[in-house]
Amino acid sequence: ILNVEQSPQSLHVQEGDSTNFTCSFPSSNFYALHWYRWETAKSPEALFVMTLNGDEKKKGRISATLNTKEGYSYLYIKGSQPEDSATYLCAFKGDYGQNFVFGPGTRLSVLP
Amino acid sequence: DTGVSQDPRHKITKRGQNVTFRCDPISEHNRLYWYRQTLGQGPEFLTYFQNEAQLEKSRLLSDRFSAERPKGSFSTLEIQRTEQGDSAMYLCASSLSGAGTEAFFGQGTRLTVV
Repeated sequence: ILNVEQSPQSLHVQEGDSTNFTCSFPSSNFYALHWYRWETAKSPEALFVMTLNGDEKKKGRISATLNTKEGYSYLYIKGSQPEDSATYLCAFKGDYGQNFVFGPGTRLSVLP
Repeated sequence: DTGVSQDPRHKITKRGQNVTFRCDPISEHNRLYWYRQTLGQGPEFLTYFQNEAQLEKSRLLSDRFSAERPKGSFSTLEIQRTEQGDSAMYLCASSLSGAGTEAFFGQGTRLTVV
C-alpha cells in the first residue's frame, strides 16, 4: 500500500509570515507529483504539476520543489495572506498505475 | 461552465437504500476518477476510467459500489444498501492523458447515511 504523508497536519500563521510544508512519497516508480489547494466549499484546485527531479515551480507567492530520489516535495508560501487559508493536498502518481494517491493534507489558517 | 460538475451536491439517505451520483467531466478529458474523502483525511481513490473503460478499481471498494462511464463522457457511481460508514464526500475529477497534466475536480457530492 502506497504511503503519501504530509506535515504538519495543520498550521496557524499570522498574516505576512512565510511558511512551508512537506509531502513525502515513495522514492521508487515516480511518475508525477501534484499539489492542490482546497478551500472550504470549493473544488480542489491544481497548483503545480511536477515531473522531474529538481523541479522548482512558482506561482505568485507560492512555490514548490521536488526531490524524487529522496521522495519529498516542499510547498512554500511567502508573505501569507488570509485568502491562502485552505487545505493543501499533494498527490503522487506512480508509473505502474494511473490513479493519484493523495496525502492527508495540511490545513493552513492565516490569521489577520 | 466548462468545469467538472457533480450532481447532487448533497444527499441524505436512510441506511439500506441505494444512491447514485453523477459526474460530468470536462468534455475533452479522456480520464475520469472517483475519490472519497472522510473528515480529516485526504481523498481516497475509488476507481478510474480511460474513456469508457474502467481500468482501475480500489480493493477498498466493496461489491456494493459500482461505477460506469457508458459512452466515455459522464460517469455514475452507485452505492447499494448504503451503510453509515459510506457517509463521506464523493469527488470526481477528470484529466487528459500524460504525466504533466493536472486533474480538475468537481465540487463533490456529500453523502450522509442516517
